[in-house]
Amino acid sequence: AQSVTQLDSQVPVFEEAPVELRCNYSSSVSVYLFWYVQYPNQGLQLLLKYLSGSTLVKSINGFEAEFNKSQTSFHLRKPSVHISDTAEYFCAVRKPGGGNKLTFGTGTQLKVEL
Amino acid sequence: KAGVTQTPRYLIKTRGQQVTLSCSPISGHRSVSWYQQTPGQGLQFLFEYFSETQRNKGNFPGRFSGRQFSNSRSEMNVSTLELGDSALYLCASIREDQETQYFGPGTRLLVL
Repeated sequence: AQSVTQLDSQVPVFEEAPVELRCNYSSSVSVYLFWYVQYPNQGLQLLLKYLSGSTLVKSINGFEAEFNKSQTSFHLRKPSVHISDTAEYFCAVRKPGGGNKLTFGTGTQLKVEL
Repeated sequence: KAGVTQTPRYLIKTRGQQVTLSCSPISGHRSVSWYQQTPGQGLQFLFEYFSETQRNKGNFPGRFSGRQFSNSRSEMNVSTLELGDSALYLCASIREDQETQYFGPGTRLLVL
C-alpha cells in the first residue's frame, strides 16, 4: 500500500516570496506522483505530475516539483507566489497499472499575504 | 469540451435516508472515480468504474455503492445515512492515456 505525508498543514508566506510545500511518500513499488490544488468551494485541479523521465516537472503557472527517489519526496516549489495562489494543495500517489486509485496526503493550506 | 458535471451541488438529508449522486464525465472518458472529502479523514477513495465495471473499491461500508452506465455517466448511492457521511463527494473523469484525472466541483452532502 502507498501513503503520503504532507508535513505542513499550513504555510503562510508573503506575496512575491518563494515557497516550498513538502511531500513525502511511502511505497514498496514505483509510483506516479501528483500535485493537485483546491480553491474554496471547488473541486481539485491537477497542477503537475511525475510519471517517468526528467525528475523536475513544471506547471504553466510557475510551480515546479522534483521527484527524489532516494528521499521518497516530491516537494512543490514556486520562486515567487501571488495572492491568487492562496489555496489548499494536495500531494497524491498512484501505483502504475491496475486502475486509477489516488492516495492523497492531508493537504497544505497555502496562505499568501500582502 | 465541457468539464465534469456533478449533480446536485448541495444536498441536505436526515439520518436513515438514502441519497443518489450523479456524475457526468468528460466526453470520451470511460473511467470515473469517486472520492469522499471530510475535514477529519481528508480525501478518501470510494470506487472506480471503467466501461460499466467496478475496477477498484476503497475501504467503505456496503452502504456506499455505485454504478456506471453505458454512456459513462456514473451514480453513487449511500443508504441509511449517518451523520458522519456529511462530506464533499468528488467525482473524477479519467483520461487514461495521459494518466490525468479531472475532478468535478463536487456534491456537498449534509446529514442532519
